[in-house]
Amino acid sequence: SQKIEQNSEALNIQEGKTATLTCNYTNYSPAYLQWYRQDPGRGPVFLLLIRENEKEKRKERLKVTFDTTLKQSLFHITASQPADSATYLCALDQRNTPLVFGKGTRLSVIA
Amino acid sequence: DTAVSQTPKYLVTQMGNDKSIKCEQNLGHDTMYWYKQDSKKFLKIMFSYNNKELIINETVPNRFSPKSPDKAHLNLHINSLELGDSAVYFCASSQRSIGEQYFGPGTRLTVT
Repeated sequence: SQKIEQNSEALNIQEGKTATLTCNYTNYSPAYLQWYRQDPGRGPVFLLLIRENEKEKRKERLKVTFDTTLKQSLFHITASQPADSATYLCALDQRNTPLVFGKGTRLSVIA
Repeated sequence: DTAVSQTPKYLVTQMGNDKSIKCEQNLGHDTMYWYKQDSKKFLKIMFSYNNKELIINETVPNRFSPKSPDKAHLNLHINSLELGDSAVYFCASSQRSIGEQYFGPGTRLTVT
């Protein structure tokens, strides 16, 4: 069966450290993988998109990797800040099919 | 300037009623979506429209009917509301049917 799993429901880290969130999938063949941020009471906000033929993508303090052999994406936030506290969702983008979201990881950055 | 807007933000209603949620996007996007996020925070696609035409209709009861009067609007009408319909409903849009999506603020529907 098809599954998309984000490693933990909640992750607590100290301010200034690097947060690493994991997204694993089985029985999907995504052309793209996307990461979103969702704050309580708000809609998801797009952060980064990485294509199947890209290994890594960066945007400011954010870095995403995509390993189609391992069927895994890692999402890193370097020099984390309390303002980075939110739920982070990964989403698989297969051509001609709906975007499939993981359940998210709730990140808390502690000052 | 709000990119994707939804009304109302909150909707409390009784079982059996009919209600509508409106969505508008001012991004000039071709594709619009409705998602349901349940109490476990799982976000699931319900419908997708491209240039006013339905292109995705996931397994959703036929009590839910989307309507797209034009490319910038996608409304969701729900008949005979049930307790299990309680959730947050998000509208989203994207430039094409693939790629990043822009979400509205959500409508929290509570059916009592």
